[in-house]
Amino acid sequence: DGGITQSPKYLFRKEGQNVTLSCEQNLNHDAMYWYRQDPGQGLRLIYYSQIVNDFQKGDIAEGYSVSREKKESFPLTVTSAQKNPTAFYLCASSDRVVSYNEQFFGPGTRLTVL
Amino acid sequence: AQKVTQAQTEISVVEKEDVTLDCVYETRDTTYYLFWYKQPPSGELVFLIRRNSFDEQNEISGRYSWNFQKSTSSFNFTITASQVVDSAVYFCALSSSGSARQLTFGSGTQLTVLP
Repeated sequence: DGGITQSPKYLFRKEGQNVTLSCEQNLNHDAMYWYRQDPGQGLRLIYYSQIVNDFQKGDIAEGYSVSREKKESFPLTVTSAQKNPTAFYLCASSDRVVSYNEQFFGPGTRLTVL
Repeated sequence: AQKVTQAQTEISVVEKEDVTLDCVYETRDTTYYLFWYKQPPSGELVFLIRRNSFDEQNEISGRYSWNFQKSTSSFNFTITASQVVDSAVYFCALSSSGSARQLTFGSGTQLTVLP
């Protein structure tokens, strides 16, 4: 089945630790995205990538880093510099970064900082 | 800058009632795309519909219908004869070239359908 997988589903981290969230897609999509969702709020874009070895900052990139070494993979690292990392993180992909393309979403990772 | 407003934070209805979710958008672009997504309790967003700015025809898909009105910058979503399985958070989103083709999401409307 084609789709997007994110792991783990739940993640707990101690303050001061970096943590990496996994996102894999087998849809052969060029573009991939990371969003953050806080309770009662919409999704906010952290980073996006249009092609392998290229990525762009979104609206709230501070404290996060990404890599895109393979077309199907777009991991997100939440660094200790992110002041309030507890949130629900969603990964998405689309055929290309164009206005009309719908994005397909993974099941999300819920990160809690203890 | 572009913006999407979903003024209804939470709505509760009884099963079989009709319900309309409001979405108002702002953009300076003449070409743009509007989307609705559903987020069930599992968390994954599910794509429902896309509409471009040049197509103001209303659309119906089963119990779902969408009313796009450029004059009022609105793209409202109606569920007819609601069911418990419709309970979810619904997001309206906007994309245009002026926003580097990124999706701008509204804050979402939590719909609860009671049996």
